[in-house]
Amino acid sequence: DSGVTQTPKHLITATGQRVTLRCSPRSGDLSVYWYQQSLDQGLQFLIQYYNGEERAKGNILERFSAQQFPDLHSELNLSSLELGDSALYFCASSVGEGIYGYTFGSGTRLTVV
Amino acid sequence: AQKVTQAQTEISVVEKEDVTLDCVYETRDTTYYLFWYKQPPSGELVFLIRRNSFDEQNEISGRYSWNFQKSTSSFNFTITASQVVDSAVYFCALSESLSGTYKYIFGTGTRLKVLA
Repeated sequence: DSGVTQTPKHLITATGQRVTLRCSPRSGDLSVYWYQQSLDQGLQFLIQYYNGEERAKGNILERFSAQQFPDLHSELNLSSLELGDSALYFCASSVGEGIYGYTFGSGTRLTVV
Repeated sequence: AQKVTQAQTEISVVEKEDVTLDCVYETRDTTYYLFWYKQPPSGELVFLIRRNSFDEQNEISGRYSWNFQKSTSSFNFTITASQVVDSAVYFCALSESLSGTYKYIFGTGTRLKVLA
């Protein structure tokens, strides 16, 4: 157990639907990062939060949004889902920003049918 | 521009062979950090090592060793006497600070297959 908890582990949903992925960071970590990994693809950075504030955005679609709550857990909302959104979505956390190794969760596998 | 290149997309070796995974980076910053991560077939990414740009000492951890060379902008990872359990995708990553915000970028990964 890495200490980063992601729920759910698997999600199957239809096109056009909306889903919410949840992440609880490792205790003491203030930064949360979201990544998307499509089949046989690398890790695409989506968004980063630090202590509740958005700090950096990557290639995140407008249909996607995220937030980090006061208790530091984070949610990634994906709406108007398309088949191409099927992927593994990882959450990672770190103590600070950028200079530390990340602790990754086990990921949420999203399948859009 | 910040960039991480892992030119080897897939490597296959026979168990007990040594194998080196290459990582070449580009950065304009003088202070930066380099990382390696392992993603086994189970899918979860595991942090292996971090180096900062001021520490060029090579590091060894058991069968794993890392060679950081600023002169060639490389941070290579060697597994000695590979084992089947080393089969995974390995990602190299770079973090640099530009304008006060750290940007962390992953390479595209190298898939290592260790055959029994």
